[in-house]
Amino acid sequence: EIVLTQSPATLSLSPGERATLSCKASQSVSNQLAWYQLKLGQAPRLLIYDASNRATGIPARFSGSGSGTDFTLTISSLEPEDFALYYCQQRSNWPRITFGGGTKVEIK
Amino acid sequence: QVQLVESGGGVVQPGGSLRLSCAASGFTFSRYGMHWVRQAPGKGLEWVSVISSDGRDKKHSDSVKGRFTISRDNSENTLYLQMNSLRAEDTALYYCARDLHQAAAAYYFDYWGQGTLVTVSS
Repeated sequence: EIVLTQSPATLSLSPGERATLSCKASQSVSNQLAWYQLKLGQAPRLLIYDASNRATGIPARFSGSGSGTDFTLTISSLEPEDFALYYCQQRSNWPRITFGGGTKVEIK
Repeated sequence: QVQLVESGGGVVQPGGSLRLSCAASGFTFSRYGMHWVRQAPGKGLEWVSVISSDGRDKKHSDSVKGRFTISRDNSENTLYLQMNSLRAEDTALYYCARDLHQAAAAYYFDYWGQGTLVTVSS
């Protein structure tokens, strides 16, 4: 099983600041990684797929980068609605899909 | 707009069964693979099952293989998850999710429902 380790567990930032979230894979997943946003009581939202492709309707302030084992989700300037949980997910060895443990972005 | 609405969750005793449903609207359901993903309380996300657009190809995670069965009715735009021999560790919020790509599964999930809660407890 490919293990995805996300860091930090919690990121405390203010609106307008830049958020940098990390996801490290236990073995190479090439570029086959996605990022999701989860908010309590809402449907999860796909942000990024194939490491750097923004999903439909996702604002440009969200960007993804990386390949192999190291990946980053960057939110260039946090909006109030961006404070949420974020998960990475790999599909490299489907159907053995795995998710990371999540990063909570909270208001400082 | 794309909508996925899960139902069928509830409290069930260990060893019991439950069938979840996911009603889809706003897109051509028969063109997309569909998935179930779950989240146990206080835990991360776990992929459960996938079914191809035509319903012929199904895959399940090792943790539910032999106990859960995914199916779909394209005439009713509905996805199902039959859960048998339920265990305490199956307690979770169960989401249905649409695959990103039409026809061949991408194993990325571009639309999700809000989930239905399954609690396995005596």
